[in-house]
Amino acid sequence: GQNIDQPTEMTATEGAIVQINCTYQTSGFNGLFWYQQHAGEAPTFLSYNVLDGLEEKGRFSSFLSRSKGYSYLLLKELQMKDSASYLCAAMDSNYQLIWGAGTKLIIKP
Amino acid sequence: GAVVSQHPSWVICKSGTSVKIECRSLDFQATTMFWYRQFPKQSLMLMATSNEGSKATYEQGVEKDKFLINHASLTLSTLTVTSAHPEDSSFYICSARDHSDYEQYFGPGTRLTVT
Repeated sequence: GQNIDQPTEMTATEGAIVQINCTYQTSGFNGLFWYQQHAGEAPTFLSYNVLDGLEEKGRFSSFLSRSKGYSYLLLKELQMKDSASYLCAAMDSNYQLIWGAGTKLIIKP
Repeated sequence: GAVVSQHPSWVICKSGTSVKIECRSLDFQATTMFWYRQFPKQSLMLMATSNEGSKATYEQGVEKDKFLINHASLTLSTLTVTSAHPEDSSFYICSARDHSDYEQYFGPGTRLTVT
């Protein structure tokens, strides 16, 4: 079956670094997405990885290892506004997104 | 670019009535649109996928006669919740994708409350 696993909740301190892990099992693979979702709002796109390696975009970076079925989202210099849920989604062979349950990130001052 | 709008942003209706939610891609042609439902503190649940001009493909467990989806043009898809019940109260989110991009662009969501 198809499955996405990510931690339910994480807590970090303002100014620090946090890494949110995601493992996936899909029928075929066409890339891994990370989305940010604030409470009561729709998800917003953060990153897309289809090749192995690290993609850096400002304070956010995303890593993919296809052989391990593993990705992580790295957030640096955490700000209070980064408190949100972070959704990992893998695209299968039919180009459908398989969604994780999301990781709620709590930032403390 | 790649803006998706939804209307209404929130709606309250009485049990037994029907509600229509619109999803529009404002600056691109959405060959595929997706409808999701999200209950509080839960992740997105894909309800159906629709391609312009063809019937929607519903996920297992989603009643196609209750959740009517129409994707009549490349910029508009509608979801009609028929004979709504309180358990249909949820956050409904659409997303859209064009033929050249794998990314899904999300609308702002519609919060439905059925009383």
